Amino acid sequence: GQNIDQPTEMTATEGAIVQINCTYQTSGFNGLFWYQQHAGEAPTFLSYNVLDGLEEKGRFSSFLSRSKGYSYLLLKELQMKDSASYLCAVRFRWGGGADGLTFGKGTHLIIQP
Amino acid sequence: SAVISQKPSRDICQRGTSLTIQCQVDSQVTMMFWYRQQPGQSLTLIATANQGSEATYESGFVIDKFPISRPNLTFSTLTVSNMSPEDSSIYLCSVMDREDSPLHFGNGTRLTVT
Repeated sequence: GQNIDQPTEMTATEGAIVQINCTYQTSGFNGLFWYQQHAGEAPTFLSYNVLDGLEEKGRFSSFLSRSKGYSYLLLKELQMKDSASYLCAVRFRWGGGADGLTFGKGTHLIIQP
Repeated sequence: SAVISQKPSRDICQRGTSLTIQCQVDSQVTMMFWYRQQPGQSLTLIATANQGSEATYESGFVIDKFPISRPNLTFSTLTVSNMSPEDSSIYLCSVMDREDSPLHFGNGTRLTVT
């Protein structure tokens, strides 16, 4: 089966840095995604890691360690608009060769002035 | 990335009725999925919509309750049948352009069952 864990809620200060962790146990691992979801809206894609290491995209970076089943999303220079839920999602390959995507419960990030 | 149009955006339905949600993509996509997001929860995969064949359902979801069609590579429908208040949720269509691409979402259908 698939299991993904991430903190339920985090609070950070505007202008600061925050790291949101995600651990997973899955068979057939085939990549890890981070999504941002504002209240009442659909998730939007932030980053994708399939190999170990750090992927940087502007203020957002994502890290993956496949051997540890661990990823984090790093947000720098936090802005009030970064207040949202951040979803960790793991792509796994079924036996038939098709890919599925399982989502964690999401981390609700609150940015304070 | 593909542009995904999902409708209706919201609906209020009576218990026992059915609602069909449509998902139209502006380009051919490899894979289409239907997710559900209940209030305050994360996304749960309902099924993979397979072009020209029966959908592949996740544990806890059955075809009689959530029939899915995918007649071509750009269109799919999800029907929520014999609705109860427990079906109140956001239903999201999602697609992958290619097997190695991210999953992109439509704007969702907010369903309230009274």
